[in-house]
Amino acid sequence: DAGITQSPRHKVTETGTPVTLRCHQTENHRYMYWYRQDPGHGLRLIHYSYGVKDTDKGEVSDGYSVSRSKTEDFLLTLESATSSQTSVYFCAISQGRQDPYEQYFGPGTRLTVT
Amino acid sequence: KNEVEQSPQNLTAQEGEFITINCSYSVGISALHWLQQHPGGGIVSLFMLSSGKKKHGRLIATINIQEKHSSLHITASHPRDSAVYICAVRLTNTDKLIFGTGTRLQVFP
Repeated sequence: DAGITQSPRHKVTETGTPVTLRCHQTENHRYMYWYRQDPGHGLRLIHYSYGVKDTDKGEVSDGYSVSRSKTEDFLLTLESATSSQTSVYFCAISQGRQDPYEQYFGPGTRLTVT
Repeated sequence: KNEVEQSPQNLTAQEGEFITINCSYSVGISALHWLQQHPGGGIVSLFMLSSGKKKHGRLIATINIQEKHSSLHITASHPRDSAVYICAVRLTNTDKLIFGTGTRLQVFP
C-alpha cells in the first residue's frame, strides 16, 4: 500500500467553525489531490497540487482552500464549515505524467457538520 | 448527463457467477481506471488501461476506445468480491480524473 495517511479519520463540528484536514504521504509523489464522496455522486475533485506551493482548483472548490508547504503534506481547510460540506474526504497521490500513472488513495476522513 | 456512466448501479450474484460491470464515457480520454471500494471505505486501484484488455487473477478489464466503453469482468465470483466498483477516466492532456458513481456488487454464498 502507498504510504498515505489522513487525519483526523472522523470529525464532528458545528456550522461556522474552521476545519483543517491533513493528508500526509511518505512516497515523495509530486501530485496530491483532495476529493469528496457523496451519495449519488462520483468522487469529485476539490483541489489538487502539482508541487510545493503549486495548487489549483477542482470542480467543487467553493468553500475550500488548500496549502502545500512540504512535498509530504497537503492540507484542506474549510474556513467556515457548512452542513453541505458533510461528506467523506479522500486524499490521493500520483506521480503525474509518468508510467505507471495511477492515483493512490488515503483511507478517508468522515466529516459531519451539525 | 454525467460524463461517466456505470451500469448497473446495483448487482447481486451467487458465488461462482460471472459478473460484468459496464462503463461508458462521453469525453476524450487518455486512460481509464477501475477502482474497488470495500465497505470499510478504502479505495484500491484495480486497473489502468488505455487500450485492449488487462487481466489480474479473476478480474478482466476491457476497453473499446472507438465505442467509448469499458467493461470489468469477475470470473468465479466470491463473497469477498462484494464491494463498490468505480470507473474513472483521465481526460486527455490533463492529470484529472472524472469518476462514475459506482456499481455496488454483493456476492452471496
